Amino acid sequence: ETGVTQSPTHLIKTRGQQVTLRCSSQSGHNTVSWYQQALGQGPQFIFQYYREEENGRGNFPPRFSGLQFPNYSSELNVNALELDDSALYLCASSLGVGNTEAFFGQGTRLTVV
Amino acid sequence: GDSVTQMEGPVTLSEEAFLTINCTYTATGYPSLFWYVQYPGEGLQLLLKATKADDKGSNKGFEATYRKETTSFHLEKGSVQVSDSAVYFCALRRQEGNNRLAFGKGNQVVVIP
Repeated sequence: ETGVTQSPTHLIKTRGQQVTLRCSSQSGHNTVSWYQQALGQGPQFIFQYYREEENGRGNFPPRFSGLQFPNYSSELNVNALELDDSALYLCASSLGVGNTEAFFGQGTRLTVV
Repeated sequence: GDSVTQMEGPVTLSEEAFLTINCTYTATGYPSLFWYVQYPGEGLQLLLKATKADDKGSNKGFEATYRKETTSFHLEKGSVQVSDSAVYFCALRRQEGNNRLAFGKGNQVVVIP
């Protein structure tokens, strides 16, 4: 049990809609990273939040945005959903941004129809 | 940019057989290297890691050695069990900056009784 929880576990949305995914980090962790895992692929880094500030972003368009709250939980928002956004979205928390282990949640399976 | 390459295709083998999954990487500097495992319907779990050249990571009978000269981090296990059936991802993380992970595409391992 890693202590990282994500909600919801599954979600179906229509193309063009907006979606918010949530992540509660492991107790004491102040850093949250989000990854997109398309079917049959490895996870791709979306962005990271450290102490409520964005701390690095992967190759994703601006319609992917995020937030981190004072309790270090985090949200991933995706606007104007496209069919290719269908994927497993993984959240990982860690203590700091240095050489520390990242603990992953079970993910949210998003299907865009 | 940083990248990880895993051998193509699923791996199917019999119980007690020897398992090897190849992983090579491209990165500047001296990244840390990881193997993650993903069981059906779950998130990623860290299997083992190595942080510098010639280090050997090991866990649950799995081993991998950080080979800087060949930029490789191949995963091995001497005698697999049915419970080892999962998807295995090789990943790297730079030593500097944020602790984002770059993953390979993963290999599905199916162990037949």
